[in-house]
Amino acid sequence: QVQLAEFGGDVVQSGRSLRLSCVASGFTFSAYAMHWVRQAPGKGLEWVAVISYDGNNKYYADSVKGRFTISRDNSKNTLYLQMNSLRAEDTAVYFCARGREMATPYFDYWGQGTLVTVSS
Amino acid sequence: QSVLTQPPSVSGAPGQRVTISCTGSSSNIGANYDIHWYQHLPGTPPKLLIYGNNNRPSGVPDRFSGSKSGTSASLAITGLQAEDEADYYCQSYDSSLSAHWVFGGGTKLTVL
Repeated sequence: QVQLAEFGGDVVQSGRSLRLSCVASGFTFSAYAMHWVRQAPGKGLEWVAVISYDGNNKYYADSVKGRFTISRDNSKNTLYLQMNSLRAEDTAVYFCARGREMATPYFDYWGQGTLVTVSS
Repeated sequence: QSVLTQPPSVSGAPGQRVTISCTGSSSNIGANYDIHWYQHLPGTPPKLLIYGNNNRPSGVPDRFSGSKSGTSASLAITGLQAEDEADYYCQSYDSSLSAHWVFGGGTKLTVL
């Protein structure tokens, strides 16, 4: 069965960096676009970034553009999110999600999430 | 403020029917993009509930159904059960934004 497991969440100071990982299993990882979606405390879901199946195309939400970098290693079935210059407003649970590239793309499987807390 | 607008909360008694609305605009739902729905219980992964407006993934009970018209969409839940108490999010695609993947603000369903 499809499984996604995120790692790397931590408490970090404002301005510092953190890298999240998402290990995938149960499907052909290299065939799917992958996303990061986050949920701040008490808030709704916010899309963060997407990477194409081959890693050649990447898109970001304006709120993280220039600070976050999404990447993947298909040989390791792993998705990454490098987060630099972290701000208090980046505090959230970060989910990785598998993308379905239909006429209107959606997310068919999600991980449990990993908590990132940015302290000032 | 979310691109897609949902009511913050809805409630219903066991066995009743409830609907959750999702209102967009001409650059997302009105641009003929589909609506997808997710169920989220805190501490668990969000779960795809409805995709492509009215399609249920395998394992989702037929008590859940979706519809879309114009710039709005709805999720209907019939025969409410205690286990349906969760947050529900609609999601679509917006051609006018760099963050193309857009969510509603979420609706908390309380089963009375």
